[in-house]
Amino acid sequence: QKEVEQNSGPLSVPEGAIASLNCTYSDRGSQSFFWYRQYSGKSPELIMFIYSNGDKEDGRFTAQLNKASQYVSLLIRDSQPSDSATYLCAGYPRPGGTDKLIFGTGTRLQVFP
Amino acid sequence: EAQVTQNPRYLITVTGKKLTVTCSQNMNHEYMSWYRQDPGLGLRQIYYSMNVEVTDKGDVPEGYKVSRKEKRNFPLILESPSPNQTSLYFCASSSRPGRVYEQYFGPGTRLTVT
Repeated sequence: QKEVEQNSGPLSVPEGAIASLNCTYSDRGSQSFFWYRQYSGKSPELIMFIYSNGDKEDGRFTAQLNKASQYVSLLIRDSQPSDSATYLCAGYPRPGGTDKLIFGTGTRLQVFP
Repeated sequence: EAQVTQNPRYLITVTGKKLTVTCSQNMNHEYMSWYRQDPGLGLRQIYYSMNVEVTDKGDVPEGYKVSRKEKRNFPLILESPSPNQTSLYFCASSSRPGRVYEQYFGPGTRLTVT
């Protein structure tokens, strides 16, 4: 089982809709989770991180973490064509574990006009 | 401007010809890391370095070497490249290991080994 799993997509949503991206993880002790956006051929850029159960909002982005169910999600409200990219979910391990991010394979989002 | 630079950005080479991909950061970061990214496999860590002269293997270190003689530089060395090392490579840095979420990624190096 992969440590961090994402549906590869593509997830297609119309402009203005809410895009919902999901991620599950296997290490119940993982502390924190991160969402990166990666445009084709470009480097990943951090857009959100979350470490507490519940929701965290930043502009059009909301990250949700449910540690009991071991899933993380990213909601993008009022989706724009410029949001079309691959979104990488990454987990940070429990204390005492390896000091590195574990990345999922990414979900490709397509926002059509 | 705070940045991580990588060179070259694109490289086509032949099997067995040694190559080095350079990585440099201007933020005085302690922690640096190399990743490769392949379709369907995501970002996988190759090597990382906690500080000068301190390096360790990541998930896929086979066929790679690194060195950290200076804080700002973290070159990736392929002694004898093979076609299965064709990939997109990213260098990243952060101020210290516990702050990997603040990683700055370089622009990437697309390597093709024929």
